[in-house]
Amino acid sequence: GIQVEQSPPDLILQEGANSTLRCNFSDSVNNLQWFHQNPWGQLINLFYIPSGTKQNGRLSATTVATERYSLLYISSSQTTDSGVYFCAVATGSSYKLIFGSGTRLLVRP
Amino acid sequence: GAGVSQSPSNKVTEKGKDVELRCDPISGHTALYWYRQSLGQGLEFLIYFQGNSAPDKSGLPSDRFSAERTGGSVSTLTIQRTQQEDSAVYLCASSLGRAYQNSPLHFGSGTRLTVT
Repeated sequence: GIQVEQSPPDLILQEGANSTLRCNFSDSVNNLQWFHQNPWGQLINLFYIPSGTKQNGRLSATTVATERYSLLYISSSQTTDSGVYFCAVATGSSYKLIFGSGTRLLVRP
Repeated sequence: GAGVSQSPSNKVTEKGKDVELRCDPISGHTALYWYRQSLGQGLEFLIYFQGNSAPDKSGLPSDRFSAERTGGSVSTLTIQRTQQEDSAVYLCASSLGRAYQNSPLHFGSGTRLTVT
């Protein structure tokens, strides 16, 4: 099945810093989503982005489907950005969203 | 409802007992997923329902696990003869349609299952 790798596994930032999280996948996808799991465990959908670029406030994401990777950018980080960021993908022959192992982000005040 | 609702939020059970976990998806969402998340780990796919189609059960870890979805809405995940390794957070998610359409996935708050 498709493999999803996220990097870095852990990231510590000072409040106000910018960061880039990466998601590599092993096969062509027609569904890619980014999620944030807050420290209380709630998963929030950030982007549906199988290709192209989207922005939502301080967050933006870019997926280069031909190169099999996606990037999540966080600008001017805040302590509320802390948590785990997951990338999830599905291939053209499957509707199962397969999750990466996540990037654990800690933003210090 | 406004979001995906799961109950109970916490469940403690003795090894060998059966448990039922409930998920009420967002109204109008035809796709429903169950995932499992062990402590500090990623999300493990369990089962997927799409409308009235036969569910994809390929992620269920053993025949002690089963799920049904009644009337295309509420879903119940049943674990029989629970084992300690079943302890995890069970997450339900729903979306408007099949995964290859533009339909973001929305998660419930999960049921934390502890098997003693």
